[in-house]
Amino acid sequence: SQQGEEDPQALSIQEGENATMNCSYKTSINNLQWYRQNSGRGLVHLILIRSNEREKHSGRLRVTLDTSKKSSSLLITASRAADTASYFCAPSSGGSYIPTFGRGTSLIVHP
Amino acid sequence: DAGVIQSPRHEVTEMGQEVTLRCKPISGHNSLFWYRQTMMRGLELLIYFNNNVPIDDSGMPEDRFSAKMPNASFSTLKIQPSEPRDSAVYFCASKAGTDNEKLFFGSGTQLSVL
Repeated sequence: SQQGEEDPQALSIQEGENATMNCSYKTSINNLQWYRQNSGRGLVHLILIRSNEREKHSGRLRVTLDTSKKSSSLLITASRAADTASYFCAPSSGGSYIPTFGRGTSLIVHP
Repeated sequence: DAGVIQSPRHEVTEMGQEVTLRCKPISGHNSLFWYRQTMMRGLELLIYFNNNVPIDDSGMPEDRFSAKMPNASFSTLKIQPSEPRDSAVYFCASKAGTDNEKLFFGSGTQLSVL
C-alpha cells in the first residue's frame, strides 16, 4: 500500500473563496478517495475517483486525477466556515484496495 | 444505522497498565480497520480484518499491541503494557465489500498514557 501526500499542509481563506488542495502518490492506483475530518471526529468520505476517470463532481466539490503525474486535486468552490476541517487523500493500489492516509491539509475558512 | 461505534471515547491511564479499545462495525460490513492518528505521523494503518480474519498486521508497532475480532460485530485493540508514546487517537473503520468501497469511521478513542 502507499500513502498520499497532501499539499499544502495548511490553508487559510475567506468565506466565498475557492480552496484547492493537492495530493501526490508514488505508484499506480486503483482509485483515490478524499476524506474530511472535523476537529475531534472521525474521517468522513467525500468522493472517490477511479483510475480511469479524470474528473468528478459532488456538489461544491470537484476532484481531478492525473495518473501521468500521479496527482489529484480537490477543489471546494464558494467555501463556507463550515468547510473548516482537515482533508485527506487516500490512494489505494494493488489487490487489497486498502486506502492509506497522510497528514492531511488543514483548511480554515474565515467568516 | 448507528455507524461505527467505539468505546471508550477517552481513556487516561498510567504507564504499564493494560488498555483495551473496543469497536462495533456497521452491520453487514465485512472489513474492519484500526488506525492511529498523531500529529507527527498522521493517520497510520495498524491492522485490518476481512471476514473476522486478520489480513495485514504489519502496521502494529510492537508486540505490546494486539487486535482480535471474535465475531463480525466486535473487535478489540489491546495495548499491554502501555507507554506514554502510545498516546494518540485510535480510530476504527469498517467497509462493505473488498474493493472500491468507502470507509466509515468511528469517532475515535483519545488515549493518554501518563
